[in-house]
Amino acid sequence: QKEVEQDPGPLSVPEGAIVSLNCTYSNSAFQYFMWYRQYSRKGPELLMYTYSSGNKEDGRFTAQVDKSSKYISLFIRDSQPSDSATYLCAMNNAGNNRKLIWGLGTSLAVNP
Amino acid sequence: DTAVSQTPKYLVTQMGNDKSIKCEQNLGHDTMYWYKQDSKKFLKIMFSYNNKELIINETVPNRFSPKSPDKAHLNLHINSLELGDSAVYFCASSQDLGVGGELFFGEGSRLTVL
Repeated sequence: QKEVEQDPGPLSVPEGAIVSLNCTYSNSAFQYFMWYRQYSRKGPELLMYTYSSGNKEDGRFTAQVDKSSKYISLFIRDSQPSDSATYLCAMNNAGNNRKLIWGLGTSLAVNP
Repeated sequence: DTAVSQTPKYLVTQMGNDKSIKCEQNLGHDTMYWYKQDSKKFLKIMFSYNNKELIINETVPNRFSPKSPDKAHLNLHINSLELGDSAVYFCASSQDLGVGGELFFGEGSRLTVL
């Protein structure tokens, strides 16, 4: 079993839809949870970062962490064609703080 | 002004050749990384340097040799290239990952081994 599981998709939604992206993980020591967005032929860029459990909101994006279920989510409201990208979850723990563990990434297409 | 720049962007070469990829960051970060992203988009860390010192060395064939002449530069040399080395190689930098610090990636170097 991989440490981080993420459905690679692809996911295709109409413009304006609410998108839900998810990752599950097995290591209960993970404390830092990140979502990166990667456009085609570009490097990943940090979208959201959450420490421990709870929610974090930034504009149309909301990140949720449920440590009891070892489950993290990224919600995108009012999705736009410019949101079309691959979304990668990543996480680590304080004991191994320079090594991120990555999900496979979910490919999202938002259709106008 | 590009924060993390890597060259070349594209490399097409024959099996058995040796190639190098160069990376430079102008963010003043202490830590730099090499990642490999395969055709399935999986990102795998290869190496990490902190202030020119190797701190992460994953299970990577010894045909891959990183070099950090100073904390702003991290190069990757690959000897005796194999078909399975075809991938996109990303350089990244960070100030610190201790508090979930952000990784800044370059645009990638797409290596094709024929």
